[in-house]
Amino acid sequence: AQSVTQLDSHVSVSEGTPVLLRCNYSSSYSPSLFWYVQHPNKGLQLLLKYTSAATLVKGINGFEAEFKKSETSFHLTKPSAHMSDAAEYFCVVSDGVYNFNKFYFGSGTKLNVKP
Amino acid sequence: SAVISQKPSRDICQRGTSLTIQCQVDSQVTMMFWYRQQPGQSLTLIATANQGSEATYESGFVIDKFPISRPNLTFSTLTVSNMSPEDSSIYLCSESVGTEAFFGQGTRLTVV
Repeated sequence: AQSVTQLDSHVSVSEGTPVLLRCNYSSSYSPSLFWYVQHPNKGLQLLLKYTSAATLVKGINGFEAEFKKSETSFHLTKPSAHMSDAAEYFCVVSDGVYNFNKFYFGSGTKLNVKP
Repeated sequence: SAVISQKPSRDICQRGTSLTIQCQVDSQVTMMFWYRQQPGQSLTLIATANQGSEATYESGFVIDKFPISRPNLTFSTLTVSNMSPEDSSIYLCSESVGTEAFFGQGTRLTVV
């Protein structure tokens, strides 16, 4: 079975400081992993995805994530937070690469960026 | 990318009634998915809708409560039946293209 655990429900950083949002996954197969962002009253937007290629994945808006199989982790990072990064972030696992089926969402991490 | 349109975008309904949510995608897809996002919570998959067959429901969701139709490769409906205040949520449809999923803007349902 597939599942993800987002270790922090809320993260607060100052503008210009690094961001770290943590995610651990459990999967019976070679997982595909994703980070989505949801701004208030907006739809879900894909930030980045890992699908068994390079373990360090770069996404939009300066975000990146590293797939670490030994640690079953897929943490999201950004070197310098911007006010516009304030949103809720979801780590997501799917049950296959070429048999992509359905997504399992983590509980979400709300990122607050202080001026 | 994909364009997914959901109707209605929001609704306020009386308990005991039913609401049907429509989802239209801009290209033919085999699988469509329906999710629920309860207030302050993450997304939970309700069911997978394949064209030409019955939907496959996740644990905790049943067809009598959430009947789904998938009449063709670009359209699906989700009905929330016999609603109670606990059904107040955002309902989202989704499609997958390759290794990526796209989501509609959601239907915000309030049951009073």
